[in-house]
Amino acid sequence: DIVLTQSPALAVSLGQRATISCKTNQNVDYYGNSYMHWYQQKPGQQPKLLIYLASNLASGIPARFSGRGSGTDFTLTIDPVEADDTATYYCQQSRNLPWTFGGGTKLELK
Amino acid sequence: QVQLKESGPGLVQPSQTLSLTCTVSGFSLMDYSVHWVRQPPGKGLEWMGRMKYDGDTYYNSALKSRLSISRDTSKSQVFLKMNSLQTEDTAIYYCTRELRRVHYFDYWGQGVMVTVSS
Repeated sequence: DIVLTQSPALAVSLGQRATISCKTNQNVDYYGNSYMHWYQQKPGQQPKLLIYLASNLASGIPARFSGRGSGTDFTLTIDPVEADDTATYYCQQSRNLPWTFGGGTKLELK
Repeated sequence: QVQLKESGPGLVQPSQTLSLTCTVSGFSLMDYSVHWVRQPPGKGLEWMGRMKYDGDTYYNSALKSRLSISRDTSKSQVFLKMNSLQTEDTAIYYCTRELRRVHYFDYWGQGVMVTVSS
């Protein structure tokens, strides 16, 4: 199974940049696409897709969110951070079954 | 519009079998795959298994011996059955739709909380 590793928590100030990382133990690239996706989950809600295929913004997601990376190293950036962005962020790979999620990074405000 | 809704018992006794239903609307189960994902209280997301659009299934190896996923396309329903439940299976259970070719989850159900307790 592909293992995804995220830092458990990150604290940033309003208006600053938040960078959340996700590292995998296997390459998730395939034929020019990186099969890495990012979701946001707020308490009491289901996850919501933010970024797909490493760098593509999902429909309706503000441009403050961006993703980059390839191979085994990926990042989700929120710039600038707003109060509504406090949530837990998960990366997920779909390169190989079983699909797997990172442990999640909880974003908090300083 | 696309919707997924999970239903099932909120409380299951230890060693018993969990049965959940995911009822979908706005799309056909013969065109899209549906997955089950669970989340224990205060913890992260765990992928459980998949019902592919062609009827094929794939399970998390850690759950494979206890888990079964099936469907009724005429009723637009996907079923999850998991036996020998333990307290560690207490979680919110979500069904979610996979977007074909790009393979991410574009729609999620609201989830159903299942507590395993006597």
